[in-house]
Amino acid sequence: KNEVEQSPQNLTAQEGEFITINCSYSVGISALHWLQQHPGGGIVSLFMLSSGKKKHGRLIATINIQEKHSSLHITASHPRDSAVYICAVGAAGNKLTFGGGTRVLVKP
Amino acid sequence: KAGVTQTPRYLIKTRGQQVTLSCSPISGHRSVSWYQQTPGQGLQFLFEYFSETQRNKGNFPGRFSGRQFSNSRSEMNVSTLELGDSALYLCASSFGSNRYNEQFFGPGTRLTVL
Repeated sequence: KNEVEQSPQNLTAQEGEFITINCSYSVGISALHWLQQHPGGGIVSLFMLSSGKKKHGRLIATINIQEKHSSLHITASHPRDSAVYICAVGAAGNKLTFGGGTRVLVKP
Repeated sequence: KAGVTQTPRYLIKTRGQQVTLSCSPISGHRSVSWYQQTPGQGLQFLFEYFSETQRNKGNFPGRFSGRQFSNSRSEMNVSTLELGDSALYLCASSFGSNRYNEQFFGPGTRLTVL
């Protein structure tokens, strides 16, 4: 079993729909990161959180430390949100362990 | 501030050769981490350098090595290249090396081994 599991692996949504991506982890962590990767490879850090909830624009990330679970929500999705979203957990220093990613396609 | 830069962006090598990749962190950042991304294994941590010292190492063979210079720039080296080393190599910089640092990723170096 992988230390970090994401679901779903693929997701297709219509523009305007609410999207949820889930991440479960099995190890003790200090922080959880949500990353976005567009075609071509560039990775952007969306959130880093160790408790509670964070919001940035149409993106919301939550984490439940007791249940070892985090969710990334995209409200009012747009075609430019199409990307791979990756959950990563940090324990020792800056060493990150990654989930397999969720490929999101938002159709106009 | 300029972002993280990586050179070269693309590289083609043959089996048995060695390769050196370079990463320049954001000004003021002292930690550089290296990651390998392949279609089969996804993203995997290679190593982290902070103030010229290796702080963490992933599960990669000794053919993979790195170093960091006094200006925080980092290089990674892969010797005796294998076909399976074909991957996107990403570096990320952060200000510190404690447990709560946001990491800023470079555009990556795409290595193809023939």
